[in-house]
Amino acid sequence: QSALTQPASVSGSPGQSITISCTGTSSDVGSYNLVSWYQQHPGKAPKLMIYEGSKRPSGVSNRFSGSKSGNTASLTISGLQAEDEADYYCCSYAGSSTSNWVFGGGTKLTVL
Amino acid sequence: QVQLQESGPGLVKPSGTLSLTCAVSGGSISSSNWWSWVRQPPGKGLEWIGEIYHSGSTNYNPSLKSRVTISVDKSKNQFSLKLSSVTAADTAVYYCARGREAFDIWGQGTMVTVSS
Repeated sequence: QSALTQPASVSGSPGQSITISCTGTSSDVGSYNLVSWYQQHPGKAPKLMIYEGSKRPSGVSNRFSGSKSGNTASLTISGLQAEDEADYYCCSYAGSSTSNWVFGGGTKLTVL
Repeated sequence: QVQLQESGPGLVKPSGTLSLTCAVSGGSISSSNWWSWVRQPPGKGLEWIGEIYHSGSTNYNPSLKSRVTISVDKSKNQFSLKLSSVTAADTAVYYCARGREAFDIWGQGTMVTVSS
């Protein structure tokens, strides 16, 4: 059982927007502004898409955005494209008294 | 541009010790970053194993802490993972990653199978 809870799957049509939720606790997501999101295509290493909740690394499309409310973080992908089909993982800092970093179980995004 | 490359045996016997190395190129391991190991069992999600700073300070996932050792070799610009008393449940792709506020650079990953 993962520390952070994500839906197992989401889907959307090209051009639409989707949102993936990531629910933690007041000890991780709720306490730190250190939520990150990763995209993973089959057989590939994860790629950082969002860090510190809402910041995009250089080179990541502005179609990807992140937000947080309380113990839940969210990743929104607008203008869905076929290449967005992948697994997405959230991650949060959880403090040095526990496991410093915890991941969600992952969400499979299908572009219909 | 910093790149990471994992290396080590792809097959480890049960009860043995898994040993992997992550070579850092294009930058110094002594920069202000933490260096982590993350694993992914086949068909499953990501699990953070632990991290090290160039000073040698470490943090480990409590669920693995009793079996994990992460070390750094600044002279070779690399860091290493040792996981002892392995079982089939430790079969996974093992990634090394650079992390401070997030894991911004990842190695390609290396598959390690625990089997006799």
